[in-house]
Amino acid sequence: AQRVTQPEKLLSVFKGAPVELKCNYSYSGSPELFWYVQYSRQRLQLLLRHISRESIKGFTADLNKGETSFHLKKPFAQEEDSAMYYCALQYNFNKFYFGSGTKLNVKP
Amino acid sequence: SQTIHQWPATLVQPVGSPLSLECTVEGTSNPNLYWYRQAAGRGLQLLFYSVGIGQISSEVPQNLSASRPQDRQFILSSKKLLLSDSGFYLCAWSGPRQGRSNQPQHFGDGTRLSIL
Repeated sequence: AQRVTQPEKLLSVFKGAPVELKCNYSYSGSPELFWYVQYSRQRLQLLLRHISRESIKGFTADLNKGETSFHLKKPFAQEEDSAMYYCALQYNFNKFYFGSGTKLNVKP
Repeated sequence: SQTIHQWPATLVQPVGSPLSLECTVEGTSNPNLYWYRQAAGRGLQLLFYSVGIGQISSEVPQNLSASRPQDRQFILSSKKLLLSDSGFYLCAWSGPRQGRSNQPQHFGDGTRLSIL
């Protein structure tokens, strides 16, 4: 069965420090993975997707099929990065499985 | 541009009462539509998805049902609410798959449902 695990419910870092939000998945097929973000009082929105191999707001995420991971990284965290982050697995074209989310708190 | 509307934002209902939550999308045609529930401290759980009018797939057995009477309208319903139906419900849409690339989802503001 497919599954997405985000082991940290809360991650606190200081401004300027590196940040890594962990995401591990299990899926027997070829996965498509996404990171979604929800800022305070805003809608859940797409941050980035592995297929695009892009950097959004300084964040990157690399799909590691060997370790079945899709960790989200940023070298220097900013206060405006504070938000709830969800890792999501898309499978069978139309289905999504979301992790339980990690709350990132960037302290000044 | 595409927009998604979900209402009501907050709803308090007694146990045993019916439910109807509505979601509409504008600015696109033939979207994939989704209903999710988010329980406290947990991720989003996919409840239903639809790839077209009258086409509903249910992901988990439950007290809820979904309908898609129009291309851009998705309704979440229940005949008799249970206490366990309390939660935060999100509607989302995505464009159709393009080639080998799946399309990301776009979410509404959600409905906070409290059952008393």
